[in-house]
Amino acid sequence: EADIYQTPRYLVIGTGKKITLECSQTMGHDKMYWYQQDPGMELHLIHYSYGVNSTEKGDLSSESTVSRIRTEHFPLTLESARPSHTSQYLCASSEGDWVGLPLHFGNGTRLTVT
Amino acid sequence: GNSVTQMEGPVTLSEEAFLTINCTYTATGYPSLFWYVQYPGEGLQLLLKATKADDKGSNKGFEATYRKETTSFHLEKGSVQVSDSAVYFCALSPSNNAGNMLTFGGGTRLMVKP
Repeated sequence: EADIYQTPRYLVIGTGKKITLECSQTMGHDKMYWYQQDPGMELHLIHYSYGVNSTEKGDLSSESTVSRIRTEHFPLTLESARPSHTSQYLCASSEGDWVGLPLHFGNGTRLTVT
Repeated sequence: GNSVTQMEGPVTLSEEAFLTINCTYTATGYPSLFWYVQYPGEGLQLLLKATKADDKGSNKGFEATYRKETTSFHLEKGSVQVSDSAVYFCALSPSNNAGNMLTFGGGTRLMVKP
């Protein structure tokens, strides 16, 4: 069982609000990722990190930002939420550099912007 | 670029039926291949993987064989249960991918009826 936690599980907020989605892992993994899952289930990588002070944008352009000040913590922030940001956000981590290592996922945050 | 194509769902089966979910990929070299499963309200969990051609990954009665000649990694199970109802994702990690970032297929929803 992977130890990666996301909070909140569900969030409903109004347009224009600033929000932060939390993601923490207790496995000491260097690599962490944020995926956006649209209602059609497809997953898109929006941010990733190789370690502390490392952040990169993923394949899908996103207005969100991330930070990696501590190994175990990889929060995602939206400065001004819009209805187009409504989606499920999944955080993941992996260890080491070997290509075949699996990703460990959190249970996700389902965000609804009204 | 890299891509993964899965059969569209939903796939609806009766309990104890045989399951096949097709997955084909496009990538250079020898990627690692994965099947992940997402149960309702949860994140993704690794189901099985294969890291080189002709490898067979297996777990919980599910199997998939890495076929380089047909660029495929089809998921099979001989006798499905109601508890197998979930969304299944095929994914690849390119052989030159030091960041271990996955490219996912669009997901296939499986519904098993008693």
